[in-house]
Amino acid sequence: QSALTQPASASGSPGQSITISCTGSSSDVGGYNYVSWYQQHPGKAPKVMIYEVSNRPSGVSYRFSGSKSGNTASLTISGLQAEDEADYYCSSYTSTSTLVVFGGGTKLTVL
Amino acid sequence: EVQLLESGGALVQPGGSLRLSCAASGFTFTTYAMAWVRQAPGKGLEWVSGISGGGGSSTYYADSVKGRFTISRDNSRNSLYVQMKSLRAEDTAVYYCAKFACTGGVCHFDYWGQGTLVTVSS
Repeated sequence: QSALTQPASASGSPGQSITISCTGSSSDVGGYNYVSWYQQHPGKAPKVMIYEVSNRPSGVSYRFSGSKSGNTASLTISGLQAEDEADYYCSSYTSTSTLVVFGGGTKLTVL
Repeated sequence: EVQLLESGGALVQPGGSLRLSCAASGFTFTTYAMAWVRQAPGKGLEWVSGISGGGGSSTYYADSVKGRFTISRDNSRNSLYVQMKSLRAEDTAVYYCAKFACTGGVCHFDYWGQGTLVTVSS
């Protein structure tokens, strides 16, 4: 069982917007602005899409955005494109001794 | 260009040991904290272990590997390691080496290697 809870799957049509949630606790998501999101295509290494809740690395499309409310962080992808089809993972700092926790991942399907 | 190249993955029997290596290039290795993250076949990402930059005086472990895995670094060789012992079937996974990027104490993984496969089976 993952420390952070994500929906197992999500789907949307090209051009639509979709939001993926990531729910934790006050020990991780809710307590710190250390949430990051990673995209992983099959057989590939993960790639950071959002860090520090809402910052976008250079080279990542503006269509990707992040936010947080309480113990839940969210990744929103606007103007869905076929290339967005991938697995998405959230991650957060945790005040427990382990340091980092991941969500279970969300498989995004572009219909 | 930042590159992280893992090696050392293999088929090992339950109870056995293995050491993974990660050769880093394209950045000042000693400056950055590093980590290992694994992914079991068909499963999600799982935090394994992390080590601070510099001398690596601070180390962190997932509860699932604590006491069995030891992370270390050799800055003279620009390399990260994880020594794994008492391996179990549930340790079977692709192990990724990842570089931390930190700003004011807030960190995320900005680069990942391509991974090395560890299979624990008799």
